[in-house]
Amino acid sequence: GQNIDQPTEMTATEGAIVQINCTYQTSGFNGLFWYQQHAGEAPTFLSYNVLDGLEEKGRFSSFLSRSKGYSYLLLKELQMKDSASYLCAVMDSNYQLIWGAGTKLIIKP
Amino acid sequence: GAVVSQHPSRVICKSGTSVKIECRSLDFQATTMFWYRQFPKQSLMLMATSNEGSKATYEQGVEKDKFLINHASLTLSTLTVTSAHPEDSSFYICSARSGGADTGELFFGEGSRLTVL
Repeated sequence: GQNIDQPTEMTATEGAIVQINCTYQTSGFNGLFWYQQHAGEAPTFLSYNVLDGLEEKGRFSSFLSRSKGYSYLLLKELQMKDSASYLCAVMDSNYQLIWGAGTKLIIKP
Repeated sequence: GAVVSQHPSRVICKSGTSVKIECRSLDFQATTMFWYRQFPKQSLMLMATSNEGSKATYEQGVEKDKFLINHASLTLSTLTVTSAHPEDSSFYICSARSGGADTGELFFGEGSRLTVL
């Protein structure tokens, strides 16, 4: 079956760095996405990786290793507004998105 | 960036009534729209995929006669929850894609929170 695993919840301190991991097992791979979702709101797109390596976009970076079925989202200089759920999603061979359950990130002052 | 608007954002209805949720792409033509539902603290669950001018493709376990989807134009898709019951209470989210399946980014609507009394 298809499976996306990510931690349920993480806590970090304002100004610090946090890494949210995602491992996946899917039928085929056409890219991995990270979305941010604040409580009661729809997800917003953060990043897309289809090749191995690190993609940097401001305070956020996303890494992919296809051979290991592994990705992480790195958030630097954490701000209180970064408190949200972070969803990992993989596009399979049928171009369908398989969603992880999300990681709730709690930022403490 | 592209904007997808969903309406209404919140709706409360009585059991047995029907509710329609609209999803509009405001500045691009959405060849494909997706409808999701999300229960508290759970991931998005894809309900159906709709392509403009054709019938929606429903995921396994989703009743197509209960969740009617119409994608009549390149900018509008609607989800109608027919004869709603309290267990249908959920957060319904649409997303839209302008290009082919391999273009990647989806644009999400704001979501609609349905409460059935």
